[in-house]
Amino acid sequence: NAGVTQTPKFQVLKTGQSMTLQCAQDMNHEYMSWYRQDPGMGLRLIHYSVGAGITDQGEVPNGYNVSRSTTEDFPLRLLSAAPSQTSVYFCASSYSGGGPLHFGNGTRLTVT
Amino acid sequence: AQRVTQPEKLLSVFKGAPVELKCNYSYSGSPELFWYVQYSRQRLQLLLRHISRESIKGFTADLNKGETSFHLKKPFAQEEDSAMYYCALRGGYSTLTFGKGTMLLVSP
Repeated sequence: NAGVTQTPKFQVLKTGQSMTLQCAQDMNHEYMSWYRQDPGMGLRLIHYSVGAGITDQGEVPNGYNVSRSTTEDFPLRLLSAAPSQTSVYFCASSYSGGGPLHFGNGTRLTVT
Repeated sequence: AQRVTQPEKLLSVFKGAPVELKCNYSYSGSPELFWYVQYSRQRLQLLLRHISRESIKGFTADLNKGETSFHLKKPFAQEEDSAMYYCALRGGYSTLTFGKGTMLLVSP
């Protein structure tokens, strides 16, 4: 099993550009989520999904969209990138109702 | 609302010294608590969960419901323990709330 796979590993965007961060898992986990990691802020939840077709907002959802058309994939879209979205983004998944989160390797995004 | 507090941003110790990374939580029900570790620029990895009551890499953590704490301890720190440590709480359906993290530096 590959676990949780994120692409790309690095990305540089200009303000106003859009892009999609990809996340896929092969563990048949119902729950998937996106976090951003910033110095001194820890990990903050952006969006999450408890199953295909179901998504919900986390702590810091503004500026981001998600969809969950399949169990395996949970892409994160930046509609119009801003410098404040410069961060490291982690996708994570787990079985619903309990158990640890499994994390991807992260995407380091810089917005200039 | 659920909250996780890690009061120390940085903890610096010498090799062989005992280590205690503090974690306090706020949640009205019965929480599920975890410790995650992140080595330099790597993914977060699960270190411990309270329901397992196991020791991983010499680390242990005990849930104290009276003090609402889940401190991480190791009797003798090693240089390879240097990393960022996050305490996390699951109170609701599946969402995990993380603390801000404590950087542990172990010097030779």
